[in-house]
Amino acid sequence: EDKVVQSPLSLVVHEGDTVTLNCSYEVTNFRSLLWYKQEKKAPTFLFMLTSSGIEKKSGRLSSILDKKELFSILNITATQTGDSAVYLCAVEATAAGNKLTFGGGTRVLVKP
Amino acid sequence: DGGITQSPKYLFRKEGQNVTLSCEQNLNHDAMYWYRQDPGQGLRLIYYSQIVNDFQKGDIAEGYSVSREKKESFPLTVTSAQKNPTAFYLCASSRQTLQETQYFGPGTRLLVL
Repeated sequence: EDKVVQSPLSLVVHEGDTVTLNCSYEVTNFRSLLWYKQEKKAPTFLFMLTSSGIEKKSGRLSSILDKKELFSILNITATQTGDSAVYLCAVEATAAGNKLTFGGGTRVLVKP
Repeated sequence: DGGITQSPKYLFRKEGQNVTLSCEQNLNHDAMYWYRQDPGQGLRLIYYSQIVNDFQKGDIAEGYSVSREKKESFPLTVTSAQKNPTAFYLCASSRQTLQETQYFGPGTRLLVL
């Protein structure tokens, strides 16, 4: 059974801090790993990672994948209160239908 | 505007009642998905459909049913067999080509009276 585990479960930081979120996975026939940000309702897409060692960046957010050790990290630098959200990691396997297995999420609270 | 819509935003179910959640997309996506999210947890896949008139069970299909009569629509019925239906339900869609992102609707919160 495919499994995705995120850590920590939650964290509280102050504006300007850097946070690092972890996602480890056990998946048969890995295809890609995705990060989503969920504020109040629907998750919004952040990154899709398919290759090891290639960092993807979007503003203050970056992410990298290690396919040998089966994990990914999501970094947020110079955090702002608007970064407060649940961050979800999902892994796609080469099963039919682009099926995703989600981790439990990491809740980030950024205090002013 | 292109996107995914879900209705209603909130839904109340009485004991023994079937209820249907709507999901519509105008993105011309082939694949559609239903997820359930419980408080403090990630998303779990209920059903998914790659093409019209075809769908597959996800990880927690028991107590749910779906149909895919049109490409744009993928309604989810929560049946009376689902004993713990209170949750946040998210619909998503994606194109069928490899490594395409799933896009999510705004969700429906289902509560049992």
